[in-house]
Amino acid sequence: DAEITQSPRHKITETGRQVTLACHQTWNHNNMFWYRQDLGHGLRLIHYSYGVQDTNKGEVSDGYSVSRSNTEDLPLTLESAASSQTSVYFCASSDSGNYGYTFGSGTRLTVV
Amino acid sequence: GDSVTQMEGPVTLSEEAFLTINCTYTATGYPSLFWYVQYPGEGLQLLLKATKADDKGSNKGFEATYRKETTSFHLEKGSVQVSDSAVYFCARMDTGRRALTFGSGTRLQVQP
Repeated sequence: DAEITQSPRHKITETGRQVTLACHQTWNHNNMFWYRQDLGHGLRLIHYSYGVQDTNKGEVSDGYSVSRSNTEDLPLTLESAASSQTSVYFCASSDSGNYGYTFGSGTRLTVV
Repeated sequence: GDSVTQMEGPVTLSEEAFLTINCTYTATGYPSLFWYVQYPGEGLQLLLKATKADDKGSNKGFEATYRKETTSFHLEKGSVQVSDSAVYFCARMDTGRRALTFGSGTRLQVQP
């Protein structure tokens, strides 16, 4: 069965370290997205991609980067982790139609 | 910018009670509208959607009608169950951008 997987599920890192969160989907979806979820803010868009070699900034992109070298993967990198980036991160994918997203199970990141 | 506003929670109901969770959206363009549900420790799952005015989305006893005149997409269920306890997110998608904008979420607690 097709799926979207995120890894790791939980991570603790230190301030200033570079961290990469993985997202892998086997739906063959063109569109992939990264969101962060914080209490009181719902989900906020970090970066998104419409296809290979395409990346775009969302509303809260500062301190984050992504790259899309193939259809299946959209890794999210925190260049220098900060305590304000402690959050739950969700990856999602969708096809080119208007059918909503399929979400991964999330990565809980703690920056100490 | 485009936004989605949901009623604040938590909403606490007894089993078999009637549920309404209010959602309104900014009126720019002709977005598609969605409700997602998040169970504890999981990612978001699509509950229902509506793509144009007066459409009614429905699934698992939940319903929501796309009301252009009131810019609303309220979620309703006639008789809630304990298993409906979760966080519910209203969202809009703008065709050109293909990215979802989420409300802040409403936690529903159903007591036996």
